[in-house]
Amino acid sequence: AQSVTQLDSQVPVFEEAPVELRCNYSSSVSVYLFWYVQYPNQGLQLLLKYLSGSTLVKGINGFEAEFNKSQTSFHLRKPSVHISDTAEYFCAVSWDQGAQKLVFGQGTRLTINP
Amino acid sequence: NAGVTQTPKFRILKIGQSMTLQCTQDMNHNYMYWYRQDPGMGLKLIYYSVGAGITDKGEVPNGYNVSRSTTEDFPLRLELAAPSQTSVYFCASRPSGGNEQFFGPGTRLTVL
Repeated sequence: AQSVTQLDSQVPVFEEAPVELRCNYSSSVSVYLFWYVQYPNQGLQLLLKYLSGSTLVKGINGFEAEFNKSQTSFHLRKPSVHISDTAEYFCAVSWDQGAQKLVFGQGTRLTINP
Repeated sequence: NAGVTQTPKFRILKIGQSMTLQCTQDMNHNYMYWYRQDPGMGLKLIYYSVGAGITDKGEVPNGYNVSRSTTEDFPLRLELAAPSQTSVYFCASRPSGGNEQFFGPGTRLTVL
């Protein structure tokens, strides 16, 4: 079965430090890749997506992610985090380019300490 | 545009009761989805629809039913509520030809 794994359930970092949130998925055959952010008591908001082309994609709020087909990974990075980045981050993959049903990872809770 | 709206925001049910979670979108999106989010877990797809009159099962459909009589509305029905259905439910929509799913604010359901 297709699966998405986020290796860290919680990541604490200090403000202005860099951060990487890791995501691996089970198969690299024709995938669409997404990172969503969920702020407390809110729905999910798209951060960025990879559909094809350049393997480095840039999203909102200074985040970027790199698609690595050989390692079936799509890690999310930010060079300098802010208190406002405190949220839950979800990696999601679609293997179905028609209906584009998403399979989500378990989520990584990013906590920014002053 | 209001986007994707869900009602109610919160609900407590007793075991065996039934209810309908409402989802409406005003963006004329063909695709709509229902997910559930359990504590500490990612979202899992319950049902989805590719257009009015067409629905299909996702990963965890047991205990739920859906209908899609209009483009705007995609209600989720729980017939016999069970404690295992305690969760946060998210509805999402996506336009044809687009890739981003737009999520509603969620409904927090507790079954006691």
